[in-house]
Amino acid sequence: DVKVTQSSRYLVKRTGEKVFLECVQDMDHENMFWYRQDPGLGLRLIYFSYDVKMKEKGDIPEGYSVSREKKERFSLILESASTNQTSMYLCASSSRGPPPGNTIYFGEGSWLTVV
Amino acid sequence: AQTVTQSQPEMSVQEAETVTLSCTYDTSESDYYLFWYKQPPSRQMILVIRQEAYKQQNATENRFSVNFQKAAKSFSLKISDSQLGDAAMYFCAYRDSGSARQLTFGSGTQLTVLP
Repeated sequence: DVKVTQSSRYLVKRTGEKVFLECVQDMDHENMFWYRQDPGLGLRLIYFSYDVKMKEKGDIPEGYSVSREKKERFSLILESASTNQTSMYLCASSSRGPPPGNTIYFGEGSWLTVV
Repeated sequence: AQTVTQSQPEMSVQEAETVTLSCTYDTSESDYYLFWYKQPPSRQMILVIRQEAYKQQNATENRFSVNFQKAAKSFSLKISDSQLGDAAMYFCAYRDSGSARQLTFGSGTQLTVLP
């Protein structure tokens, strides 16, 4: 089975702290994604990466950056955490090509609280 | 930009009964894919069913089926013989066939199954 692992399920950080959310997938997928999930808003794409060292902004990139130095790992970085970044963060991955081969697989989510 | 609308924030169904979750979308594309994802309390997002826009036949996966109305841009999910394990948040999602950005999600419908 495909496994997308997010390093932390629950984090509490202080305003202004630098926060790293780590994600690892074990299926050699080219594409990786970071979504933010908020009640009533569904999932919104923050950043995605289609290859090592390649990234593109999603719909809400402000306040975030990403790093993909290795194919299996995709990190989301909050340079200076703010309270409006309190949310559930979901990592996902998929292969390239047409469905069904490029089904997107999700991690279990990281719940970040910024105080 | 594509948008996905789920107008029912919450739904409930009696165990063993049938329920239909609504989804509409807006796109100018002719070739795309539609998905229903399930997110149970454990937070792991799971693909329920997929529909290719070029296919006229509605997709079916066991107790889950869709009613795809391309002209009306409607994509509803029907769950038959509802079970307690079907209780979850359900997200409708859209993807252009040629897009690397993957999915645009609706805001979700919380389904409660009553024993």
